[in-house]
Amino acid sequence: SYELTQPPSVSVSPGQTASITCSGNKLGDKYACWYQQKPGQSPVLVIYEDTKRPSGIPERFSGSNSGNTATLTINGTQAMDEADYYCQAWDRNTVVFGTGTKVTVL
Amino acid sequence: QVQLVQSGAEVKKPGASLKVSCKTSGYTFIGYYMHWVRQAPGQGLEWMAWIDPNSGNTNYAQKFQGWVAVTRDTSIHTVYMELRRLKADDTAVYYCARAIGYSNFDSWGQGTLVTVSS
Repeated sequence: SYELTQPPSVSVSPGQTASITCSGNKLGDKYACWYQQKPGQSPVLVIYEDTKRPSGIPERFSGSNSGNTATLTINGTQAMDEADYYCQAWDRNTVVFGTGTKVTVL
Repeated sequence: QVQLVQSGAEVKKPGASLKVSCKTSGYTFIGYYMHWVRQAPGQGLEWMAWIDPNSGNTNYAQKFQGWVAVTRDTSIHTVYMELRRLKADDTAVYYCARAIGYSNFDSWGQGTLVTVSS
């Protein structure tokens, strides 16, 4: 079955850039999306179709996808961005989630 | 606005069955696939199944085939997920999520905590 791998944790200072990777075989041939989840809350879609931001998502969130890796970038990270982040892809009529990354804003 | 409202928390014994509902409003019910996702305590997101509310067609993750069933009632804009033969490791929060495209989940239910314990 298809697998998506993320680093367990990423630390970033306020105002700096956080990059979260998501690796999967030929992931660049599929669309990737990203979710943010804060404790006790439902996930929120922050990037879809590799690079698109839903309405209401701040411009500091951006995405890319090429080769075997999709990347979520948070520019000018704020304390409110501290959360778990999950990538996701569609593979052979099923959904696959990444392993998740905890972003800590120090 | 789009709303997905799930049924309340449940406590079940091992071997029991459970049906979780997801009542939708604010959009054309048959126009969007609905998915079910679960999250065990302290763990990541796990995709379970989708349903096309228009046709009733479904697809399940291999792990859940045979003991999870997703259905819908178009008259009341509600999707259901039934889990059978519950085990302790089915303890999790279960979410319904609306998809734009095939699998971009732009709206989520509030989650239903299911606890399986003897």
